[in-house]
Formats: sequence, C-alpha cells, structure tokens
Amino acid sequence: QSALTQPPSVSGSPGQSVTISCTGTSSDVGYYYRVSWYQQPPGTAPKLIIYEVSNRPSGVPDRFSGSKSGNTASLTISGLQAEDEAEYYCSSYTSSNTLVFGGGTKLTVL
Amino acid sequence: EVQLVESGGGLVQPGGSLRLSCEASGFTFSTYIMNWVRQAPGRGLEWVSYITTSSTSISYTDSVKGRFTISRDNAKNSLYLQMNSLRDEDTAVYYCARTRAGWSFDYWGQGTLVTVSS
Repeated sequence: QSALTQPPSVSGSPGQSVTISCTGTSSDVGYYYRVSWYQQPPGTAPKLIIYEVSNRPSGVPDRFSGSKSGNTASLTISGLQAEDEAEYYCSSYTSSNTLVFGGGTKLTVL
Repeated sequence: EVQLVESGGGLVQPGGSLRLSCEASGFTFSTYIMNWVRQAPGRGLEWVSYITTSSTSISYTDSVKGRFTISRDNAKNSLYLQMNSLRDEDTAVYYCARTRAGWSFDYWGQGTLVTVSS
C-alpha cells in the first residue's frame, strides 16, 4: 500500500494555471476511474474538489479540473487566486479493495 | 445539513486502547459506506479503514490490521473505531468521512486527536 506520488510543492502567480500530478500504478490510478482530489487549508478538514477523475461536486469552481493518463492523474487550477493556497491530496481506490492517498502538494500563490 | 462529529480521542500510553466514535446527522447514515482517515502531525492523509452499509465488507490499511476494528450502529447513526495495542506512530488526528461516488469522501468530521505517548 505505497502512497501515490505527488510533487511536494508547486507555486504560481495570481491568474496563472498550475498542474499537480499524482502517479500511481496499474493497480490503483491506472486501473480505476476512482481518483479524487482534496483541498486542505491549514488547520481544517479536507474538502472534496474532484471525484471520479474529472467531476466537480456542486459549489466547486470550474477553475478546478481533473484528468488522467495511464497511471498518472492530474489536477489543474486555472486563474489562480490567493484563496487557493492550501495542501492538495489525490486518492485512489485500489485493486486490493483499499484506498490510498498521495503524499500531498503544497500550493503557494506568489 | 450533513454533520459528522468525532469523539473519544485523547492521550494514551503505548500498548493501550481507545475507542473513537463518529455521530452522523443530516443524511440517511445506513445507506453510506463510512471511513476512518488519519493525519499525523505535520504529515499527509492516510486512509485507515472502511465499512460497508450492512457491515458485510470491511477493509483496513496494513499497518492497523489485527489492532484496529471498525464497526457501525445504523440505529444510532454512529461509526466506531476500536484501537488496541496502540503505537507511537498511531498519533494523529482521526477523521470519519462519508463515501460517495467513485470512492471519494464528500463529507468529513472535524477530527479527534489521538496521542500515543508515555
């Protein structure tokens, strides 16, 4: 049950776009369309922002989008805003009937 | 309004036990798969366990197998995590989370802190 691989940090200026990658294996990210993304500002519980690779829950701005290619999923945030500064985590269901998270990516808005 | 409220955290010595509870409201608890997810201080999220609606299917992360037991009481709208043989590395904030489409977690509690230390 190894964690999915995310870059430790990414940054961008307001208005720019950033992409966060999430790399797994053919037993998790590559096997299912059950990849989710979460946003966690400091001191708060995580918030779901993407489910099933590319779907947004109601209330999540369309600036957030998700995709997947092979064993790697990606979260793209366009039109960066200061309020987007947070930790971001991906997760995936696995062929072992477990779930696994990525290590997290800290987004800094410059 | 969907609410998940955890309780039962605290300070416990290595080798000790603790039982966490999560009380749900604002939705039909019995129709949702529920999970425990933990976060060690300054670290990332770690999925711990899930339980299906009728408790017929349960899964754990490897590091807690044989030590933790997840359960639920649909009549009381409550989820539980019995933690035995606790280790230093179990120190974390423990969240309960509701499963929705695609095994995503759409609602989370505020978390309860478990500290394992002598």
